[in-house]
Amino acid sequence: DTAVSQTPKYLVTQMGNDKSIKCEQNLGHDTMYWYKQDSKKFLKIMFSYNNKELIINETVPNRFSPKSPDKAHLNLHINSLELGDSAVYFCASSLRAGNYGYTFGSGTRLTVV
Amino acid sequence: QKEVEQNSGPLSVPEGAIASLNCTYSDRVSQSFFWYRQYSGKSPELIMSIYSNGDKEDGRFTAQLNKASQYVSLLIRDSQPSDSATYLCAVFGTASKLTFGTGTRLQVTL
Repeated sequence: DTAVSQTPKYLVTQMGNDKSIKCEQNLGHDTMYWYKQDSKKFLKIMFSYNNKELIINETVPNRFSPKSPDKAHLNLHINSLELGDSAVYFCASSLRAGNYGYTFGSGTRLTVV
Repeated sequence: QKEVEQNSGPLSVPEGAIASLNCTYSDRVSQSFFWYRQYSGKSPELIMSIYSNGDKEDGRFTAQLNKASQYVSLLIRDSQPSDSATYLCAVFGTASKLTFGTGTRLQVTL
C-alpha cells in the first residue's frame, strides 16, 4: 500500500563509512527526488530524476551519488560520511517533472557519530 | 533574501479559532504554490495547491495567492488540536524545482 517507501528508516554509522538509502514508489510517477531536512527543519532539494535521467543536481558534495535503475526506484549512496551529513533524508515523487505536488516517503534519519 | 520566507513561530491559536499562516517568495515568475503539513517526526504531507490569484477552499483550509505582492497564505478555520504541526510553504519557480520555506509551527491550544 505504501506509495513512497524508503529504507532504512534509521541509520546510525561512524564517520568515514559508506552507506546507501533506497527509495521505491508504486504511484506510477515519472519523477523522483531526494531532499535533505536539517536540524532546523529546512528541506533542501539535492537531486531529481525524470524517467531515470538526472534533471536536477544541486550543489551537493561529490560524496553523494544518486542512482535510478528505473523510474520507480531512486537510491542514494553516500561515501566517506561526515558529521554534517546527519539529517533526515526524504525521497519524494511527482507525476511528472514540473509544477505537480510531491508525495514524500517517510524519511531516513541518518546519524553520523 | 531567502527564496521562500515564513515566520518560524510558534503561532499559538485557541481551539475553534482561525489560524493564518503566511509566506512570501522572491521569484517573481513562480508558477505554483503548495502548502504541506509536517507532524513532528513525520514526512511532509500535501494539503493545498494554488496556481492562480485569489482564494482556493478545501474543507477547513483556504489558500490565498497574490502574485503581485508575491504572497501566499493558508487559513485554517475551526482550528483543532490535531492541526498542531509545522506548515511548509513550497514554491515552484523558474529553476524548475520545488523550494520550501523553513515552516511555521502551529500550536492549537485547548
